[in-house]
Amino acid sequence: VMTQSPATLSVSPGERATLSCRASQSVMSNVAWYQQKPGQAPRLLIYGSFTRAIGIPARFSGSGAGTEFTLTISSLQSEDAAVYYCQQHDKWPTWTFGQGTKVEIK
Amino acid sequence: EVQLVQSGAEMKKPGDSLKISCKASGYSFTGQWIAWVRQMPGRGLEYMGIIYPGDSDTRYTPAFEGQVTISADKSISTVFLQWSSLKASDSALYFCARGAPMFGSFDNWGQGTQVTVSS
Repeated sequence: VMTQSPATLSVSPGERATLSCRASQSVMSNVAWYQQKPGQAPRLLIYGSFTRAIGIPARFSGSGAGTEFTLTISSLQSEDAAVYYCQQHDKWPTWTFGQGTKVEIK
Repeated sequence: EVQLVQSGAEMKKPGDSLKISCKASGYSFTGQWIAWVRQMPGRGLEYMGIIYPGDSDTRYTPAFEGQVTISADKSISTVFLQWSSLKASDSALYFCARGAPMFGSFDNWGQGTQVTVSS
């Protein structure tokens, strides 16, 4: 099980946003992060815990290993308003998503 | 440009069969896994299964084993998700996604297919 916190995060433009994800057991560094905006498909941001996907701005960074993971948006932009999901991809068929964190612009 | 284009929204009755599709282009179709992911309101995202079109190796998560069938047709670069007998609880938004760059992460997604099952 992947548990994300907080459920909702309200951040001012230019401020840092920190999203957390906790795994119920170790998943090594096999965590991905996705961004989903209303009416759109998820978009891969981070894989392998810390590697940015192609085309993802440098303000997005991932960290963590084992059971604790973090997605940081260093300077929030208005277009970053979305729901963010973590997902562990350690062993099939146990791949699971967290329940999501909604990021709002204050 | 990598693209996954899914078939359109479906409205069906309980007990109906259904097959939805996901057509891939812009990369070597046989060389990467494709997953099907279900999204239900209030329940987030769930992996249903994955297929490797190169050899049709198909794997299901326990919740969906026996409930759906995933297949691929290499000749038309298309992956399918099918039900033999739909239930109202199958109503959801379904996405296909290409597995890359790491096994288990998915870097390109289809636009989603809304399936509504209602009598």
